Amino acid sequence: GAVVSQHPSRVICKSGTSVKIECRSLDFQATTMFWYRQFPKKSLMLMATSNEGSKATYEQGVEKDKFLINHASLTLSTLTVTSAHPEDSSFYICSARDGGSKRAQETQYFGPGTRLLVL
Amino acid sequence: SQKIEQNSEALNIQEGKTATLTCNYTNYSPAYLQWYRQDPGRGPVFLLLIRENEKEKRKERLKVTFDTTLKQSLFHITASQPADSATYLCAPGSGGYNKLIFGAGTRLAVHP
Repeated sequence: GAVVSQHPSRVICKSGTSVKIECRSLDFQATTMFWYRQFPKKSLMLMATSNEGSKATYEQGVEKDKFLINHASLTLSTLTVTSAHPEDSSFYICSARDGGSKRAQETQYFGPGTRLLVL
Repeated sequence: SQKIEQNSEALNIQEGKTATLTCNYTNYSPAYLQWYRQDPGRGPVFLLLIRENEKEKRKERLKVTFDTTLKQSLFHITASQPADSATYLCAPGSGGYNKLIFGAGTRLAVHP
């Protein structure tokens, strides 16, 4: 149980284009999803918290107009990197919390990540 | 500000030995603490959660301790195997809805 998928797993795009990454909870309802960014050999950096049906909460220093987040259903959140540039190249990982009991919500289940390379 | 510290240097141990990883936190009073495993190019995988009122928790070859006085958690892998080689992340948390703050992780390498 508690499986989270991400699509695509890897994407290469040209500078200036937009890229959409999907995060799905496969066997549970996720009222809250998180988007992280990770550089090689570095820790996970939280970008934003996505709540179903409401606007995402962005961490300080993260441009909300550049990283658009949509959490339209209890099983799907999307991250769109708009007008991507080479410095946006990174490993993007989503996680989801089970919307069940309060204790179930304490654990985050992570997707496998999406490797973005902007040329 | 809240700070999570894990051994930044890689931990190299011989197969069969016990690996011990440390997680220290400051400016924080977490209600629980989680440990995750991350393999290269993959998302983290949840391993164990220990609450502030629990001193120790075990799961198969894994053992976690939580000392709220020292503000420290220790993560042990007994009878380590090369397959245990990965980066291990600690993440203290407070309340059901709050975000987790992750440490930078400690890379463990178990040699045959």
